[in-house]
Amino acid sequence: DGGITQSPKYLFRKEGQNVTLSCEQNLNHDAMYWYRQDPGQGLRLIYYSQIVNDFQKGDIAEGYSVSREKKESFPLTVTSAQKNPTAFYLCASRTSLNSPLHFGNGTRLTVT
Amino acid sequence: AQSVTQPDIHITVSEGASLELRCNYSYGATPYLFWYVQSPGQGLQLLLKYFSGDTLVQGIKGFEAEFKRSQSSFNLRKPSVHWSDAAEYFCAVGAGDYKLSFGAGTTVTVRA
Repeated sequence: DGGITQSPKYLFRKEGQNVTLSCEQNLNHDAMYWYRQDPGQGLRLIYYSQIVNDFQKGDIAEGYSVSREKKESFPLTVTSAQKNPTAFYLCASRTSLNSPLHFGNGTRLTVT
Repeated sequence: AQSVTQPDIHITVSEGASLELRCNYSYGATPYLFWYVQSPGQGLQLLLKYFSGDTLVQGIKGFEAEFKRSQSSFNLRKPSVHWSDAAEYFCAVGAGDYKLSFGAGTTVTVRA
C-alpha cells in the first residue's frame, strides 16, 4: 500500500540537542510538507518542498531545517534554536497544486 | 494570503443527531477547500474537497459540505452522527500555490 511513513512515533530529547524526524513516501508525489500541531492552534506550516533539491520556508521555519535529496524523503531537523520544540509533527505530500494532502501518522516530540 | 476560521472550538452532539461544523475562509478568488478529520494521536484523513462545479460535495463516512461564495463559507454536515465520529475536524483552504492553510480545528464529542 502506498503511503507516508513517519518515524519514530514518539521521540524524547534533552534541551540543546538537535533531533531529526523522518518522513518517507512511496506515493510518487512531487510536493512534501512539514506541519507542526499544537493544541488549539491547528496546523502551522514549517517547510515545504515542491521538487527535489528545492524547499521553501513556511510560516514558522525558525529553528528548523530540512533537506530534499530524494523524491521519497523529506527529513526535518529540529535544532536547539527552536525555543519551544515540544509538539506533534505531521508530514504530508501531494501530487499537484489543487490535489489534497496525504498525511503521515505524525511524530510526537518531547523536549525536556 | 488566504486564511481559515473555524468559529466553534468544541461541539457536543447526541448520537443520531445532526452535526454542522462551520468554516469561513478569506481569499479573493475561488479557493480549493478541504475538510479533514483527525483521531487522537493520528494523522489527518481527507473527508471531502471542493475545487469547482457543484457547490454541494459528498464525502466519505456520510459527510457533505456546501460551498457558499456569498458567505465565504464551507460548512460540513452529517445528518446522523455515530459515536465513531468523535474526533477533531479541520477545514483547509488552498489558493493555487503550494501552501495550504488550516483552521484551528473543531473537536466533536458524541454523547450516547
